[in-house]
Amino acid sequence: AQSVTQLGSHVSVSEGALVLLRCNYSSSVPPYLFWYVQYPNQGLQLLLKYTSAATLVKGINGFEAEFKKSETSFHLTKPSAHMSDAAEYFCAVSDPFKNQGGKLIFGQGTELSVKP
Amino acid sequence: DSGVTQTPKHLITATGQRVTLRCSPRSGDLSVYWYQQSLDQGLQFLIQYYNGEERAKGNILERFSAQQFPDLHSELNLSSLELGDSALYFCASSVEQGTEAFFGQGTRLTVV
Repeated sequence: AQSVTQLGSHVSVSEGALVLLRCNYSSSVPPYLFWYVQYPNQGLQLLLKYTSAATLVKGINGFEAEFKKSETSFHLTKPSAHMSDAAEYFCAVSDPFKNQGGKLIFGQGTELSVKP
Repeated sequence: DSGVTQTPKHLITATGQRVTLRCSPRSGDLSVYWYQQSLDQGLQFLIQYYNGEERAKGNILERFSAQQFPDLHSELNLSSLELGDSALYFCASSVEQGTEAFFGQGTRLTVV
């Protein structure tokens, strides 16, 4: 069975500092991996996805993530935090085979706070 | 705007009642997924439909059911509601199974 662990339910950074949100996954096959962001009272917005192409994936709003198979990790980074980045971030995994349906298994989420 | 529309946005109902949540997927998307988000369980996959057929089931209670209609919109029916069913229910859609999913704004269900 697939699972996702996000290390740290709350992360606080200063504006302009590096953002690092950690995600480790467990999967019996090389999975598809996703990062979603959820702003208060909103739905989930896709930040970026890994689907077995380049291991360094660039997403929207300056975020990127690197797939590291040996570490079973898919950490999310952004070089310089902005106040508007404050939100909850979810890492998710799905089975890459179409006959498995593509359902997402989510981590518990990491709430990012950005201090001025 | 993701293109996925969920109605209603908010729903308050009493225990024991039945409600229906509606989802209109993005134009052209054949796959619809339902998720439940609660403080204690986090984001949990409930059920998936693809082009009108059920394709995958997750942690969906027997009191809950869903369907996808010929025009591809989907409904999630929740019956014999309990306090613990209070949660945010999301619908997501994708073109194909396994491709990126786009989420609606959710329906916040409060059972009192």
